[in-house]
Amino acid sequence: KAGVTQTPRYLIKTRGQQVTLSCSPISGHRSVSWYQQTPGQGLQFLFEYFSETQRNKGNFPGRFSGRQFSNSRSEMNVSTLELGDSALYLCASSKAPQETQYFGPGTRLLVL
Amino acid sequence: QKEVEQNSGPLSVPEGAIASLNCTYSDRGSQSFFWYRQYSGKSPELIMFIYSNGDKEDGRFTAQLNKASQYVSLLIRDSQPSDSATYLCAVTRVGNEKLTFGTGTRLTIIP
Repeated sequence: KAGVTQTPRYLIKTRGQQVTLSCSPISGHRSVSWYQQTPGQGLQFLFEYFSETQRNKGNFPGRFSGRQFSNSRSEMNVSTLELGDSALYLCASSKAPQETQYFGPGTRLLVL
Repeated sequence: QKEVEQNSGPLSVPEGAIASLNCTYSDRGSQSFFWYRQYSGKSPELIMFIYSNGDKEDGRFTAQLNKASQYVSLLIRDSQPSDSATYLCAVTRVGNEKLTFGTGTRLTIIP
């Protein structure tokens, strides 16, 4: 069974731009969560989607948003990029909420 | 106080020895406990999860949970150089799907 896939794998943007990251969960998984990993803050939860609904949101500004489609694929968007948004963005999928989460390879975003 | 605390290491263990990784958590409502392994430049990979007090074994790995002491550990027997990585402890609480991570312990297995 294929794992979680994320596109693109690497991205370079400049301050003020916006970016959209994509995540395709493991087949049969309906819950998708997003995390940001930085050397200073570690892994931090962004938001979680199940059945196209955001169930949970972390402590990030409104510039960070996401959505989930009917096929369980998810996207996250960051608007007005700041230098501090440079990070590894990880998507994790699970069969349902509160079940074990499996991570994708991540998208490494560099903001210049 | 951080919600999930781990010793950042580095922890150096000789090849073939037992590596012991520890994690404490502050929220008594924590329900599920996970250990992920992360190689440099890669994403976290699930090693084990544990829900109930006691030990859970899977191959060379044993997870131990003590809810009264709010403590979870991971033992790696017969450590191999390929076990060298950062080990992340994560917890979820009842009714909340988000994983709260510790900062990770960097483990180095010395040949």
